[in-house]
Amino acid sequence: DAKTTQPNSMESNEEEPVHLPCNHSTISGTDYIHWYRQLPSQGPEYVIHGLTSNVNNRMASLAIAEDRKSSTLILHRATLRDAAVYYCILIRGGNKLVFGAGTILRVKS
Amino acid sequence: DTGVSQDPRHKITKRGQNVTFRCDPISEHNRLYWYRQTLGQGPEFLTYFQNEAQLEKSRLLSDRFSAERPKGSFSTLEIQRTEQGDSAMYLCASTEEVIGTVSGKLFFGSGTQLSVL
Repeated sequence: DAKTTQPNSMESNEEEPVHLPCNHSTISGTDYIHWYRQLPSQGPEYVIHGLTSNVNNRMASLAIAEDRKSSTLILHRATLRDAAVYYCILIRGGNKLVFGAGTILRVKS
Repeated sequence: DTGVSQDPRHKITKRGQNVTFRCDPISEHNRLYWYRQTLGQGPEFLTYFQNEAQLEKSRLLSDRFSAERPKGSFSTLEIQRTEQGDSAMYLCASTEEVIGTVSGKLFFGSGTQLSVL
């Protein structure tokens, strides 16, 4: 499985946008980019995924670099409930997720 | 639909005892996964089922671990002769696998926290 690199932690102010980066320089053409988040004492939760084009849903936006070697998860207005560990994962066929350590997002009020 | 359900939420056991966890996936989801998570780490893949067939097992899954999914519905994960190193959160996830697509959208339960004393 291709590897992803994320910062260990990030901090944001409430109601401000948050940009969570992910590097995946060894991505292959068939790898999908997925983002999950895990709130304290809960299982991971699907956030968004994409292949080549930028994607939007009610939770977040995903911006994918033209060469696909990096992507950014964008939370448009962070709330205290967005404080979680965010995982960037590449999936190639099948549905097995291989998690890294993720980015701990702290949101300040 | 109430989502993926795991039972129990917490389990404390003594070293050497056997434990069994249960996972009820979202109905009609044909794929079911087990993961293990220790503090400060991301979840680690253990095994997964397509209906009742166990299709892949991680090298993390020693011979003390066994998972079943009879009739392709609920699943159980049993750990025999527990060791302190087995202490972790055990997570179950399910999804509907559609041939020819890559969804990657798994639905996780809240996990079973195992403490081995």
